[in-house]
Amino acid sequence: AQSVTQLGSHVSVSEGALVLLRCNYSSSVPPYLFWYVQYPNQGLQLLLKYTSAATLVKGINGFEAEFKKSETSFHLTKPSAHMSDAAEYFCAVISYSSASKIIFGSGTRLSIRP
Amino acid sequence: KAGVTQTPRYLIKTRGQQVTLSCSPISGHRSVSWYQQTPGQGLQFLFEYFSETQRNKGNFPGRFSGRQFSNSRSEMNVSTLELGDSALYLCASSPQGQDTEAFFGQGTRLTVV
Repeated sequence: AQSVTQLGSHVSVSEGALVLLRCNYSSSVPPYLFWYVQYPNQGLQLLLKYTSAATLVKGINGFEAEFKKSETSFHLTKPSAHMSDAAEYFCAVISYSSASKIIFGSGTRLSIRP
Repeated sequence: KAGVTQTPRYLIKTRGQQVTLSCSPISGHRSVSWYQQTPGQGLQFLFEYFSETQRNKGNFPGRFSGRQFSNSRSEMNVSTLELGDSALYLCASSPQGQDTEAFFGQGTRLTVV
């Protein structure tokens, strides 16, 4: 069965610093992977998606993620954090073996220090 | 193109009551899924509807039900509300199913007192 694990429920970085949010996946088939962002009292917005076309995926708001099969990872990065990046981030995988088509990670709350 | 619209945005209900939440998907999208989000359990899948048929169901009690209309709009109903049903309920639509990409609404915040 497919699953994702997000390492770190809370990450805090300084404005202008590198953002790195970690996600590892488990899948017996080539996975479809996503990163979503959720701002307070809002729904989820798709940041980027991996569908096997390219290992480095660029998303909105300057975020990108690299698919590494050897490490079963799909970490999200942004070179320079902005105050507006403060939000909760969810890694997700498509499941083909359970009723829940999208399996979400537990989420990582990103805080930005001035 | 209008996004996914969920109504109402906020609800306060009493234990034992029932509630109906509404979701209007993006025009042309035939798949609508519902998720429950709580601080303790995170995002949990409730069910997916496609062309008026329930295609997938998560692990929730029968008090949670839904339906989809011919225009793809969907409703979710929770009967005999419990305090633990307090959550953010999110609806997501996609053209054919969640195999590609899901677009989420802003959610309905349900508080059971």
